[in-house]
Amino acid sequence: SAVISQKPSRDICQRGTSLTIQCQVDSQVTMMFWYRQQPGQSLTLIATANQGSEATYESGFVIDKFPISRPNLTFSTLTVSNMSPEDSSIYLCSVDDVARGTQYFGPGTRLLVL
Amino acid sequence: GNSVTQMEGPVTLSEEAFLTINCTYTATGYPSLFWYVQYPGEGLQLLLKATKADDKGSNKGFEATYRKETTSFHLEKGSVQVSDSAVYFCALSDPSQGAQKLVFGQGTRLTINP
Repeated sequence: SAVISQKPSRDICQRGTSLTIQCQVDSQVTMMFWYRQQPGQSLTLIATANQGSEATYESGFVIDKFPISRPNLTFSTLTVSNMSPEDSSIYLCSVDDVARGTQYFGPGTRLLVL
Repeated sequence: GNSVTQMEGPVTLSEEAFLTINCTYTATGYPSLFWYVQYPGEGLQLLLKATKADDKGSNKGFEATYRKETTSFHLEKGSVQVSDSAVYFCALSDPSQGAQKLVFGQGTRLTINP
């Protein structure tokens, strides 16, 4: 299975600021995904990121608030912009292992917005 | 749209007890079904999966059978251990929807007491 790392692992931020989360995978993958897990809740897909094209956002998520980059087949970033306390969540990236029909997840970034 | 419903938690059991966590789904196509586990302070790990009707996924003593007639994928373990304490998520992906997007249930928190 793919090995996925995320930076930072956690952060505490002030409202109105922005944070960029990095996701690095140890092999080339076509599709990467970003999820949000609000406190005590399940995971919600934010967007799908393919290399060389703009990310596809799910209903309720917009590019201005969650810009995503996908510069190559092993890396992606998610920025949480103009943060408010409601953005306090765990943000997880995942990659699609097409051969196994499975997704693997990174360890997550725990964000607290004050 | 597609959805996943899990039994409400939290669930508390004694060590060596039998475990069942119910999961039912709604899908327009022929989904693949997954159980993911999230240990305290960690990201999601794939526990098991099944890709077609009557398939049984198994791992670490856990089992789940893909039941198309009842649209269910219940997770079972014959004898739980304290180390099984975690949050368990049932999920589906529906290739007919395009990308391998995962739709998650709300999660079930399991606590095993010695």
